[in-house]
Parts: sequence; C-alpha cells; structure tokens
Amino acid sequence: QKEVEQDPGPLSVPEGAIVSLNCTYSNSAFQYFMWYRQYSRKGPELLMYTYSSGNKEDGRFTAQVDKSSKYISLFIRDSQPSDSATYLCAMKDTGGFKTIFGAGTRLFVKA
Amino acid sequence: ETGVTQTPRHLVMGMTNKKSLKCEQHLGHNAMYWYKQSAKKPLELMFVYNFKEQTENNSVPSRFSPECPNSSHLFLHLHTLQPEDSALYLCASSLGLASYEQYFGPGTRLTVT
Repeated sequence: QKEVEQDPGPLSVPEGAIVSLNCTYSNSAFQYFMWYRQYSRKGPELLMYTYSSGNKEDGRFTAQVDKSSKYISLFIRDSQPSDSATYLCAMKDTGGFKTIFGAGTRLFVKA
Repeated sequence: ETGVTQTPRHLVMGMTNKKSLKCEQHLGHNAMYWYKQSAKKPLELMFVYNFKEQTENNSVPSRFSPECPNSSHLFLHLHTLQPEDSALYLCASSLGLASYEQYFGPGTRLTVT
C-alpha cells in the first residue's frame, strides 16, 4: 500500500465550479498536511498547510484534514481558468525530514 | 536572481554521455533536496543535504552522483543513464530539515536517448 494515494485525474470543470481534490494516507504519524500547486513548466509551490486535524481557509481555498479517516481534501470555490494546474498533496511527520508527496491531480478549468 | 534556480532547463543526452545539473538557492536555507518527477507518479526523493552534508540517499543508482559544495549550491552528476531515467528533476530547499515548506526550482527536463 502506498503511503499517500492521490487520483492523478485529469479533472475538467467549468469556470465557477466547486472543485474537490482528495488524498488518502496510511501513516498515522503524519502531522503536517500540505497542498502544493504546480503550473506547467514550473516547480511546485506551497498553496496551503494544515497542522494536525481541522479546516483552514484562505480566500477561495479550503483545506480539510480528517485524521480519523486518514483523508485530506482541498476545495476550490468559484474556480477560475488560472487555477488550471497540478495539485499535489504532501505530508510529513514531526520527527522526520522526509515529505511524502501524492502523484498530483491535473485540474483543467474551462472558461 | 531570487528563489531557487536550476540549469539547464532542458537536457537531451545519450546513454554514454556525462552531464551535470546545477541548482542554486538564494534564500539562505540550510537544507537542499533532489527529486525525480515522472508522469502520474509521486515525487521521488533522491538525495537530501543539510548544511552541505548528505543525510539521505534514497537507494538511488550510482549513475546519479550528487555534490553539495556549500549550502547554496547543489549538483547532480549524471553518467551512463538509462531511458527510464528520463523525467523532470526538481531541486528544492528548506530552512531546515524540520521545515514543512520546501521551495522548488523550475526543474530540468531530462531526456535520455
């Protein structure tokens, strides 16, 4: 079983739609949960970060962590064509130095 | 230059060639990383350096040889590669090994013919 599972997509939605991106994981020691966004021909950049469980909101983006289900989500409201990118979930425990990444979900938002 | 830079951006090499990838970070970070990114696969951590000392070699074949002369520069020396080594090679840095945030360069797209 992979430590982090993420559907690579692609996911195609119309402009203005609510997008839900998800990852599951198996390591209960993970405490840091991140979402990175990677545009074409660019490296990933950190979009949001959550420590332990709960929700975090930043503008149109909401990150959720459910540690009991080992499931994390990223919601994008009022999606825009500029949101078209690959979204990678990433996780890390407090004691280690390795960050474990998902495969990334390719998102297309159509105008 | 700001952030993390990588050169070259694209590289095509034959299986018998020797080439090097270069990464430079202008953030004052102490940890640097090499990752391999292949289509529809998770980022694969290859090497980790902390204060220019190697702390991780993630079972990477010896045809990949890293070098970290100081905390700002990281190289990946390549020789006798295989076609399956074709991928995007990403360099990243972080303030320290415990940091949750990594800053990535744009990557080098490598094609092995």
